Amino acid sequence: EVQLVETGGGLVQPGKSLKLTCATSGFTFSNAWMHWVRQSPEKQLEWVAQIKAKSNNYATYYAESVKGRFTISRDDSKSSVYLQMNSLKEEDTAIYYCTWPGTTVDYWGQGVMVTVSS
Amino acid sequence: DIVMTQGALPNPVPSGESASITCRSSKSLVYKDGKTYLNWFLQRPGQSPQLLTYWTSTRASGVSERFSGSGSGTYFTLKISRVRAEDAGVYYCQQVREYPLTFGSGTKLEIK
Repeated sequence: EVQLVETGGGLVQPGKSLKLTCATSGFTFSNAWMHWVRQSPEKQLEWVAQIKAKSNNYATYYAESVKGRFTISRDDSKSSVYLQMNSLKEEDTAIYYCTWPGTTVDYWGQGVMVTVSS
Repeated sequence: DIVMTQGALPNPVPSGESASITCRSSKSLVYKDGKTYLNWFLQRPGQSPQLLTYWTSTRASGVSERFSGSGSGTYFTLKISRVRAEDAGVYYCQQVREYPLTFGSGTKLEIK
């Protein structure tokens, strides 16, 4: 069974940092292209970042709104993907989902809440 | 960025009736391989989004035949036949034609 479990969320002050972890199991993680997607309190979905596999040189892509502040990375030995979030802003407040678009079906974690507030 | 614009539904929709949701993109979603990279998702209350269709009209594994996607270029439709209570939620279209990947703002479906 495929599982994606996000951890690391919480309440953080503007300008601070937070690192999210997505631990996965049930599929060949090393071949998977992984994404982070967030959902604002207004329920708008926003794609955040993607990291490809080693065979694609671990290429990364970012939404303009997070470029330069967020970094996506992975550890194939731990079947985990990470999102390092720096210089957080109030508008980064959202539920953050880790996702894997499989061949004929996609998989999402349950999401982790990040609240940026003073 | 490609902007995705979704239409609204005349809620609530009576159980057993059909419902169609529209999605328009600001740029063609046809890629050089000939495929059209448009996804539809359903997010039920309290759950994570679930993929319904990809490449405009291919149903994801395990998705009911009552869901059918259609369209081309910049205009797309998701039709839900014989709606049931379990179909209630918010539907999102997403383009994966180019970065940054973008979603529509969502269309809420309520069942009567």
